[in-house]
Amino acid sequence: AQTVTQSQPEMSVQEAETVTLSCTYDTSESNYYLFWYKQPPSRQMILVIRQEAYKQQNATENRFSVNFQKAAKSFSLKISDSQLGDTAMYFCAFMGGGATNKLIFGTGTLLAVQP
Amino acid sequence: KAGVTQTPRYLIKTRGQQVTLSCSPISGHRSVSWYQQTPGQGLQFLFEYFSETQRNKGNFPGRFSGRQFSNSRSEMNVSTLELGDSALYLCASSPVAGGPDEQFFGPGTRLTVL
Repeated sequence: AQTVTQSQPEMSVQEAETVTLSCTYDTSESNYYLFWYKQPPSRQMILVIRQEAYKQQNATENRFSVNFQKAAKSFSLKISDSQLGDTAMYFCAFMGGGATNKLIFGTGTLLAVQP
Repeated sequence: KAGVTQTPRYLIKTRGQQVTLSCSPISGHRSVSWYQQTPGQGLQFLFEYFSETQRNKGNFPGRFSGRQFSNSRSEMNVSTLELGDSALYLCASSPVAGGPDEQFFGPGTRLTVL
């Protein structure tokens, strides 16, 4: 069975600084997808960034980028120039490569951006 | 386009009762998935529907059931409620089943079981 582990329950960063959130996963599949979702306080979950396992190039979306290490089964999220609006719970999620939308989530990292 | 809507947003029930939650996906989306979010267990997959067919089911007791209608709207039902069923229930919609397409989440239904 696939598992997703986020070992940092809480993190704090100063505004404008850079922070990295860690995520490791376990799977025997060779084709899969990885996601980072953000859940701001009392607001809806939204997608931050996604990575397809067959792509070697790390995904980037503006201030957000990932470090995808397929052999190590590691998928960390880097947030550059942190903003107050980045304060949220961040979830790492795994989805298998079949015809399914089932997401397996990690336990989340609560990120607080300090002014 | 309107986002994913979930009704009701808040619900208070007592043990033993049953409850039905509704999810309306984004127009054109045929896939709806349901998740239970609790402080102790985190986000857990309940089930997934695509074109009225259940494609996948999580590890939950038979008290949890769902269905999807021809207009892609989905409902989930929990019978014989237990205190441990108190949670935020989220649904997510997507145009297809599988692949890296973004899944769009609704605001959730907060269920409290007394």
